[in-house]
Amino acid sequence: QITLTQQAESLWVSPGEKVSITCRASQSLLYTDGKHYLSWYQQRPGQTTKALIYHASIRTDGVPTRFIGSGSGTEFTLSIEDVQPEDIALYYCLQTLKKPYTFGAGTKLELK
Amino acid sequence: QVQLKETGPGLVQPTQTLSITCTVSGFSLTSYYMQWVRQTPGKGLEWMGFIRSGGSTEYNSEFKSRLSISRDTSKNQVFLKMNSLKTEDTGVYYCARDNNWYFDFWGPGTMVTVSS
Repeated sequence: QITLTQQAESLWVSPGEKVSITCRASQSLLYTDGKHYLSWYQQRPGQTTKALIYHASIRTDGVPTRFIGSGSGTEFTLSIEDVQPEDIALYYCLQTLKKPYTFGAGTKLELK
Repeated sequence: QVQLKETGPGLVQPTQTLSITCTVSGFSLTSYYMQWVRQTPGKGLEWMGFIRSGGSTEYNSEFKSRLSISRDTSKNQVFLKMNSLKTEDTGVYYCARDNNWYFDFWGPGTMVTVSS
């Protein structure tokens, strides 16, 4: 199965800063259609899990433009520019290229 | 608007069977795949399986033959059944809508505790 590694368990950030969360896959997530099957999710206490990014770089409807997905092959990054207090949450990557689909272990964004 | 909600038993005894219902609104189950995901203290988020818009299913082999996913389109409900429960199955169980290989809407999850 494909392993997704989110190196950082926690990242500390101050409001207004930029932060990057990385996700490394054990094999390329590029399919023959030219798309990467890597998506990003946000979990905040008391709220439903929210999809932020799909196909590595496409924002889902309504997601603020400060959330930016990038990367290719096996290395992917979720960047949050101008971090807001409501961005304090857990962030997970998910690969849906091959079954079993797998998630990263998650990165917790915390306030300095 | 799109909504999903899981309903489960809360507490299940070891070796017993877990049954969870996901009730959806705002879309048709015949148009989307529906996924099941769980979150446990030991393994984090785990993909369990899905039911296609046409009704066929696929499962994570991790759950071997313990898992079954089905649906009732007339009631807008998707069902998860898993037998031979162990304490390690304690966690939060989610249903999610699959929108071309990303999970665009999730339910709030239902907490399941496996304990005697």
